[in-house]
Amino acid sequence: DVKVTQSSRYLVKRTGEKVFLECVQDMDHENMFWYRQDPGLGLRLIYFSYDVKMKEKGDIPEGYSVSREKKERFSLILESASTNQTSMYLCASSLSGQQFYNEQFFGPGTRLTVL
Amino acid sequence: TQLLEQSPQFLSIQEGENLTVYCNSSSVFSSLQWYRQEPGEGPVLLVTVVTGGEVKKLKRLTFQFGDARKDSSLHITAAQPGDTGLYLCAGAGRDDKIIFGKGTRLHILP
Repeated sequence: DVKVTQSSRYLVKRTGEKVFLECVQDMDHENMFWYRQDPGLGLRLIYFSYDVKMKEKGDIPEGYSVSREKKERFSLILESASTNQTSMYLCASSLSGQQFYNEQFFGPGTRLTVL
Repeated sequence: TQLLEQSPQFLSIQEGENLTVYCNSSSVFSSLQWYRQEPGEGPVLLVTVVTGGEVKKLKRLTFQFGDARKDSSLHITAAQPGDTGLYLCAGAGRDDKIIFGKGTRLHILP
């Protein structure tokens, strides 16, 4: 059974803290994505990666960075968390190099609250 | 900017009724996907349509891609409580970037 796992289902942090969200996939997928999901705004792409050590900005990269040191792992970093980063964060992966219309497999999400 | 507009935003109907939800854009998409997301989970792919006018069926769900590849619909026949969830459409637009609509939240009352 293919799987995308995220390190935490729920996370509470304080303003200014550095936050790491980890995502691991076991499908040997090249592409990995980080989204945030907010009511009324849908899914918005933060960053994506189509290969190890490669990263591309999505639609809302400000305040975030990413790391992809291994193919199966894609980390999202909030350098200094702020209350407007309270959200549901979803990680996804998909096959193939630079074609993003293949099926994306999503993790269960991390609900982050920044106080 | 390419956008996908989904309607309605919310829909609550009785078990056994039929329904249709829509995904519209002024832009052309090379392919379009429908995902369903249940509470506490990530979205799961239901179908991908790639050809204008294409119709795909998945049990009681019928998906249609518009002739001009700018819109799509999802029709559910005899809705069941298990159909409850957030339905998202996603399109591959320019540069193969995937764009998601904001979703239709569907609630089927037993």
